[in-house]
Amino acid sequence: GENVEQHPSTLSVQEGDSAVIKCTYSDSASNYFPWYKQELGKRPQLIIDIRSNVGEKKDQRIAVTLNKTAKHFSLHITETQPEDSAVYFCAASSIGAGSYQLTFGKGTKLSVIP
Amino acid sequence: EAGVVQSPRYKIIEKKQPVAFWCNPISGHNTLYWYRQNLGQGPELLIRYENEEAVDDSQLPKDRFSAERLKGVDSTLKIQPAELGDSAVYLCASSPHRGSDTQYFGPGTRLTVL
Repeated sequence: GENVEQHPSTLSVQEGDSAVIKCTYSDSASNYFPWYKQELGKRPQLIIDIRSNVGEKKDQRIAVTLNKTAKHFSLHITETQPEDSAVYFCAASSIGAGSYQLTFGKGTKLSVIP
Repeated sequence: EAGVVQSPRYKIIEKKQPVAFWCNPISGHNTLYWYRQNLGQGPELLIRYENEEAVDDSQLPKDRFSAERLKGVDSTLKIQPAELGDSAVYLCASSPHRGSDTQYFGPGTRLTVL
């Protein structure tokens, strides 16, 4: 089955700096890669996703890049703000039994220092 | 549009007691997922439903866990008897249909087994 590795496990940045979180996956059949943000005690919220037919996607201050050959994808947050502090999870998805199944990384705790 | 609803939000029980969690997916969503999230980890899939059919329950510990989605809408996950190691957050997620890759999560039920 799919295995997703996520690094780093913790990340501290100064407000205004950029943050980068990296993930690798094992199943070459995976074709959908979402990123979720989870604040303490709250639900995981989808912040951005990318499909295997594109290499990069941007949404305001966040961007995701995908390298299918190397089987890794990354989340980039620019101009970080204190409200970006949360745990971020990457995931990889492939079809099994006719519907998509997500395998998550272990998460990165991002702390933005004011 | 209402999101995925789960109840209760918190549950504290003693080991060997039974417990049940309830989930109501986003209206019209046919695919429903139950995940378990241990502290400091990403969500791990327990079971996936397409309407009322469990299409993937390979990760569900069937000796003590059971789930149902009788009418293909809301779902119940049960543990009987609970063990100390079952303490975790139980998350429910839904997708519009089996061909949809995006999953929307509920707030989860935090279970503490004493």
